[in-house]
Amino acid sequence: KNEVEQSPQNLTAQEGEFITINCSYSVGISALHWLQQHPGGGIVSLFMLSSGKKKHGRLIATINIQEKHSSLHITASHPRDSAVYICAVKYVTDSNYQLIWGAGTKLIIKP
Amino acid sequence: GAGVSQSPSNKVTEKGKDVELRCDPISGHTALYWYRQSLGQGLEFLIYFQGNSAPDKSGLPSDRFSAERTGGSVSTLTIQRTQQEDSAVYLCASSVGRQGNQPQHFGDGTRLSIL
Repeated sequence: KNEVEQSPQNLTAQEGEFITINCSYSVGISALHWLQQHPGGGIVSLFMLSSGKKKHGRLIATINIQEKHSSLHITASHPRDSAVYICAVKYVTDSNYQLIWGAGTKLIIKP
Repeated sequence: GAGVSQSPSNKVTEKGKDVELRCDPISGHTALYWYRQSLGQGLEFLIYFQGNSAPDKSGLPSDRFSAERTGGSVSTLTIQRTQQEDSAVYLCASSVGRQGNQPQHFGDGTRLSIL
């Protein structure tokens, strides 16, 4: 079982739709990242969360530490939102910490 | 402002050759990470540097891979005797440090192709 699971793996929606991407994890974490990877490969860090909710423009990220679950929401989606969205959790080992990556959700927004 | 800079942006080389990839982190960032992403795959953690501490090398796939970070700033990832399966985009990220919940800032990556 993967330690970080995202759903759905693929999502196609029409412009304007409300989008939700989910991330569940099984390890104890200190933070969770949402990242966006465009078709050209460039990666942008969207949010880093340790509790509650963050909002930036049309993007909203929430996390429930007790349930080990996070969601990324996109309101009024637009074709330029088409990208792969990746959830990554940060956890501490004995001497260091690592990020564990989800497999990503490929989002396509059709005009 | 200056972000994480990686060079070269693209590298094509023959199987068996050695390659060096460079990462200039954001000034003042003490943490530096290397990842790679193979075609159609997720991001794979390779190695993590934090200040002067011994690096976490747990993600390096084989002893052909090594990395250094000189003076706590620039890092070089070296792949010796490259193989075709080494073809991937190699990404570097830096963050302020491991204290607290610090976001990672990514470079644009080096696209490595092994012929």
